[in-house]
Amino acid sequence: DTGVSQNPRHKITKRGQNVTFRCDPISEHNRLYWYRQTLGQGPEFLTYFQNEAQLEKSRLLSDRFSAERPKGSFSTLEIQRTEQGDSAMYLCASSSSGIGPNTEAFFGQGTRLTVV
Amino acid sequence: AQSVTQPDIHITVSEGASLELRCNYSYGATPYLFWYVQSPGQGLQLLLKYFSGDTLVQGIKGFEAEFKRSQSSFNLRKPSVHWSDAAEYFCAVGAYGNKLVFGAGTILRVKS
Repeated sequence: DTGVSQNPRHKITKRGQNVTFRCDPISEHNRLYWYRQTLGQGPEFLTYFQNEAQLEKSRLLSDRFSAERPKGSFSTLEIQRTEQGDSAMYLCASSSSGIGPNTEAFFGQGTRLTVV
Repeated sequence: AQSVTQPDIHITVSEGASLELRCNYSYGATPYLFWYVQSPGQGLQLLLKYFSGDTLVQGIKGFEAEFKRSQSSFNLRKPSVHWSDAAEYFCAVGAYGNKLVFGAGTILRVKS
């Protein structure tokens, strides 16, 4: 297992276009998290899944954002009608259970989105 | 609401010198605290974490951190910095089972 994989690594899109990112978590990790990181800031929580159920969504996740995790494996994050303010690094993380003394969230390398 | 403050945006130290990165948190209950490191173009790597017990926590790459409840702090230290430690460091607080709340990060530069 090579860790959390995110594709694409970079995406440049025109304002108003839709984009979709994919995250493949570590095998058998039932928790999957999405974060957004803008320049000069730490990652900000967007949403998380336990298996296929989306359990929490941040108010940062506007109606233009949707995340899915069909069958509890990989996840996709779609942004519709992109805006320049959506330009950021989108990070995915997975863990074997909720964050606790014996678990750890493993992060992917991220997808960098640039909206022009 | 939970929050994390990292007062130093940039820190420059000479190779071989000691390092301390500051982190202050705000959280109503016993916090779960983390330090992550991010190199350019890379994801976040966990350095160490605190859940309970001994307030001095040892991590990977020779890092340690001390939890001080009275000061709401969780500062990261390393006795001797190597050039390869240059990166961005994030402190985070977590609620059990759920999301992490990160600070804005501290960029470490190492002078040779």
